[in-house]
Amino acid sequence: KAGVTQTPRYLIKTRGQQVTLSCSPISGHRSVSWYQQTPGQGLQFLFEYFSETQRNKGNFPGRFSGRQFSNSRSEMNVSTLELGDSALYLCASSLSLDTKAFFGQGTRLTVV
Amino acid sequence: GDSVTQMEGPVTLSEEAFLTINCTYTATGYPSLFWYVQYPGEGLQLLLKATKADDKGSNKGFEATYRKETTSFHLEKGSVQVSDSAVYFCALKMGGANSKLTFGKGITLSVRP
Repeated sequence: KAGVTQTPRYLIKTRGQQVTLSCSPISGHRSVSWYQQTPGQGLQFLFEYFSETQRNKGNFPGRFSGRQFSNSRSEMNVSTLELGDSALYLCASSLSLDTKAFFGQGTRLTVV
Repeated sequence: GDSVTQMEGPVTLSEEAFLTINCTYTATGYPSLFWYVQYPGEGLQLLLKATKADDKGSNKGFEATYRKETTSFHLEKGSVQVSDSAVYFCALKMGGANSKLTFGKGITLSVRP
């Protein structure tokens, strides 16, 4: 069974640009959550989706957004990139809300 | 709000040494508690969990007991191996219909032969 797949693995963007990251959950999983990992702030929750609806949101500015498609695949978008957005972005999928989460390998975003 | 505090790192041990990584939490209710491990270049893997007070989670020789009275979930292993070198995160999740995990800062463990 394939795990959680995140694409791309690495990304370099310039300040002011926007970026879209993709997450394909494990087959059959309907819940997808996103986290930002930085050396200074550690792992912080961005948002979670279930059945194409955002169920929970962390304390991030509106530049961070996401969506989930009918096949449970999810994308997150960051607009007007700032240097501080450089991070590892992790996606986790689970069968449903409140069930075990499986993490992908992450997308390493570098903003220059 | 809810939070998790882990001991400061990094930690360096010799192979076969005893490991303890401290974790305490603050929560308004009764969370489930987790330990995740992150190997270099990888995502997070669930190591063990406990869902209620006095529960003991265990996996691969690691153990942690949910202590409500001290709001703690310390990770222990009797004899570490070089392959245990990784970053360890303590996390909590409140009940209800949500998947949000609140993580500690993580601690890097290095085990030397």
